[in-house]
Amino acid sequence: GQNIDQPTEMTATEGAIVQINCTYQTSGFNGLFWYQQHAGEAPTFLSYNVLDGLEEKGRFSSFLSRSKGYSYLLLKELQMKDSASYLCAVMDSNYQLIWGAGTKLIIKP
Amino acid sequence: GAVVSQHPSRVICKSGTSVKIECRSLDFQATTMFWYRQFPKQSLMLMATSNEGSKATYEQGVEKDKFLINHASLTLSTLTVTSAHPEDSSFYICSARDPGTDTEAFFGQGTRLTVV
Repeated sequence: GQNIDQPTEMTATEGAIVQINCTYQTSGFNGLFWYQQHAGEAPTFLSYNVLDGLEEKGRFSSFLSRSKGYSYLLLKELQMKDSASYLCAVMDSNYQLIWGAGTKLIIKP
Repeated sequence: GAVVSQHPSRVICKSGTSVKIECRSLDFQATTMFWYRQFPKQSLMLMATSNEGSKATYEQGVEKDKFLINHASLTLSTLTVTSAHPEDSSFYICSARDPGTDTEAFFGQGTRLTVV
């Protein structure tokens, strides 16, 4: 079966760095997405990785290792507004997104 | 980036009535749109894939006669929840495939449906 695993909840301190991991097992692979979702709102796109390596975009970076079925989202210089759920999703061979359950990130002052 | 607009953002309806939710791609033509529902503290659940000019493809367990999907144009897909019941209360979200990259990356704002 297809499976996406990510931690349920993480806590970090304002100004610090946090890494949210995602492991996956899917039927084929056409890219991995990270989304941010604030409570009561729709997800917003953060990053897309299809090749191995690190993609940096401002305070957020995303890493992919296809051989290990592994990705992480790295958030630097954490701000209170970064408190949200972070969803990992993999596009399978049918170009359908398989979603992880999301990681709730709590930022403390 | 591409913009997807979803309307209404919130709706309260009486049990037994129908509710229509619209999803529009504002600056690109979306041949495929996706409809999700999300219960509190849970991840997105794909309900159906909407293809312009053809019938929608429903996920297993989703009643196609209850959740009517119409994708009559390249910029508009609608989801109608028919004969709504309180258990249909949920957060419904649409997304549209980005034709430039053929990836799904843009979501509407979501619709919070409450059936009383």
